[in-house]
Amino acid sequence: EPEVTQTPSHQVTQMGQEVILRCVPISNHLYFYWYRQILGQKVEFLVSFYNNEISEKSEIFDDQFSVERPDGSNFTLKIRSTKLEDSAMYFCASSFRRQVNTEAFFGQGTRLTVV
Amino acid sequence: AQSVTQPDIHITVSEGASLELRCNYSYGATPYLFWYVQSPGQGLQLLLKYFSGDTLVQGIKGFEAEFKRSQSSFNLRKPSVHWSDAAEYFCAVATGGGADGLTFGKGTHLIIQP
Repeated sequence: EPEVTQTPSHQVTQMGQEVILRCVPISNHLYFYWYRQILGQKVEFLVSFYNNEISEKSEIFDDQFSVERPDGSNFTLKIRSTKLEDSAMYFCASSFRRQVNTEAFFGQGTRLTVV
Repeated sequence: AQSVTQPDIHITVSEGASLELRCNYSYGATPYLFWYVQSPGQGLQLLLKYFSGDTLVQGIKGFEAEFKRSQSSFNLRKPSVHWSDAAEYFCAVATGGGADGLTFGKGTHLIIQP
């Protein structure tokens, strides 16, 4: 069964460093998403991406965040200068159509710890 | 703005017993509603969804959920739980109209007692 794959599963980084979280969406999917879950909090929408551009972003997704589809298979989330409060589980998701009308498939998540 | 409330942070159920996980949403129109499950070390897996029509929806793994507009609820049920159902369960809402993102509840951690 096709699945969304995220790497690494756990990343530890020092405050102020840049991190790149990687995702391989399901191959025929067209819409890509990032969510995050701070420990003990809700899963929160960060950004959606379609046709090589951001289609929607939340207020959380500020200038320190960026997303990219550098090639035909990967979808990345970059955090430019990490802060302690960026520590969270980050989930990537993909869907064939726009999410509300179809199922979004989620990856297993990357746990980011900023120290 | 829409919101989702899962009032129970933890629930403990004996294996073989019935289960109901509560979910309430806040949204002015009819939302699209989802239940996801996250097993340890796994991603979020869709259990079931409600878009319109029959208010009782069937999902995978023997789960069902009922949409009650009058109560703004979408509770998840299973008649007999198995030890493998131990996981984190998330209720989520999508509002359409061009909004891509799902709004999730905080989740309910289900513990199964032998």
